[in-house]
Amino acid sequence: QVQLQQWGAGLLKPSETLSLTCAVYGGSFSGYYWTWVRQPPGKGLEWIGEIRHSGSTNCNPSLKSRVTISIDTSKNQFSLKLTSVTAADTAVYYCARDLEGTIGTWGQGILVTVSS
Amino acid sequence: QAVLTQPSSLSASPGASASLTCTLPGGINVGSYTIYWYQQKPGSPPQYLLRYKSDSDKHQGSGVPSRFSGSKDASANAGILVISGVQSDDEADYHCMIWHTSAAVFGGGTQLTVL
Repeated sequence: QVQLQQWGAGLLKPSETLSLTCAVYGGSFSGYYWTWVRQPPGKGLEWIGEIRHSGSTNCNPSLKSRVTISIDTSKNQFSLKLTSVTAADTAVYYCARDLEGTIGTWGQGILVTVSS
Repeated sequence: QAVLTQPSSLSASPGASASLTCTLPGGINVGSYTIYWYQQKPGSPPQYLLRYKSDSDKHQGSGVPSRFSGSKDASANAGILVISGVQSDDEADYHCMIWHTSAAVFGGGTQLTVL
């Protein structure tokens, strides 16, 4: 059964770059979209973007200028970078697997706090 | 960007049915979209429940009880998650989602309380 394990810095200062990585265990890495979703405390979910095994990406237009999603197929990992963070970027960040539009498998989530 | 509207909270009695709505903005016809539903309990990631486009185009998540079902209300331009025979374990946040212009769009979520 596929599992997603994510890690990265949990506390950032304003203007720094958020960097998270998600490793995929126990399943195929190809044929899926690998996805990032975030959830500010007490609020709803926000789709950040996704990447295919081929490296093609698709991002939320509202975040596109600050987001980079990359993939390392040799390690079955994909990563998120979000530049110039502010307090509004404080959220639980989830990595997830999307098959034909269904985000069916999620990582455990990591809280990233932006504070001076 | 499209924004899906969900009531922030809903309460239901055990054994009753609960209908959770997800309203699409004007200009986006619910009939053209697949509505995805997710359940999220405190401290846990969302879990996929089901997707619904029509009675002939729908999918139930693995292990999701049949008392969770999807439908649409075309007159309200809304997707609906129906929970029949509500149980205490159904107390959770429920999120709807669509794909619009190659981007996933979520609603704000509905907190279901089982009284």
